[in-house]
Amino acid sequence: GQQLNQSPQSMFIQEGEDVSMNCTSSSIFNTWLWYKQDPGEGPVLLIALYKAGELTSNGRLTAQFGITRKDSFLNISASIPSDVGIYFCAGQREYGGSQGNLIFGKGTKLSVKP
Amino acid sequence: SAVISQKPSRDICQRGTSLTIQCQVDSQVTMMFWYRQQPGQSLTLIATANQGSEATYESGFVIDKFPISRPNLTFSTLTVSNMSPEDSSIYLCSVEEEVGAFFGQGTRLTVV
Repeated sequence: GQQLNQSPQSMFIQEGEDVSMNCTSSSIFNTWLWYKQDPGEGPVLLIALYKAGELTSNGRLTAQFGITRKDSFLNISASIPSDVGIYFCAGQREYGGSQGNLIFGKGTKLSVKP
Repeated sequence: SAVISQKPSRDICQRGTSLTIQCQVDSQVTMMFWYRQQPGQSLTLIATANQGSEATYESGFVIDKFPISRPNLTFSTLTVSNMSPEDSSIYLCSVEEEVGAFFGQGTRLTVV
């Protein structure tokens, strides 16, 4: 089936560092969504992107919808300890359509550097 | 965004038994979705629940194993039947709004 390649799988952050992660696909998506999941919680929507080339910010988070529609990245600037968690990208083929079209990446786990 | 409440938040169950998970939304929605998240994995859609019709199941999931009810526009249940340890996962309820999909806090199921 269709897959999203999300990288990196995991990374360690030090407070104050910038963080970057991305998702790529062999297929075109019309919507890209970025989620964060804390332990014991459901995923929380961070940013939604609807147009190729779109760059959207939410506080210290910035995400872009790739021009080819096959990729997206998420940047976190000046990371803080509460940024720790698992970040998922999700692509949707049809805007406003059934979630049967929503494909999730495997996640990027952010941990604090020991 | 819609507020989605799931019950129970977690449970430990004996193999061979069944567990019913409830999902309540604070607004009326046409479609509700059930996902499974196996340990350390991403989310996989189990089925789409429409009010007034049978749920639509994704490949690899069947009604006998995961029966779903959708009695009204704000509520749905997912039952995990005849459980085995392989069913140990987080089960998540979701609704879609114009800006994207939103999730409940999940039900963490452990089968022993």
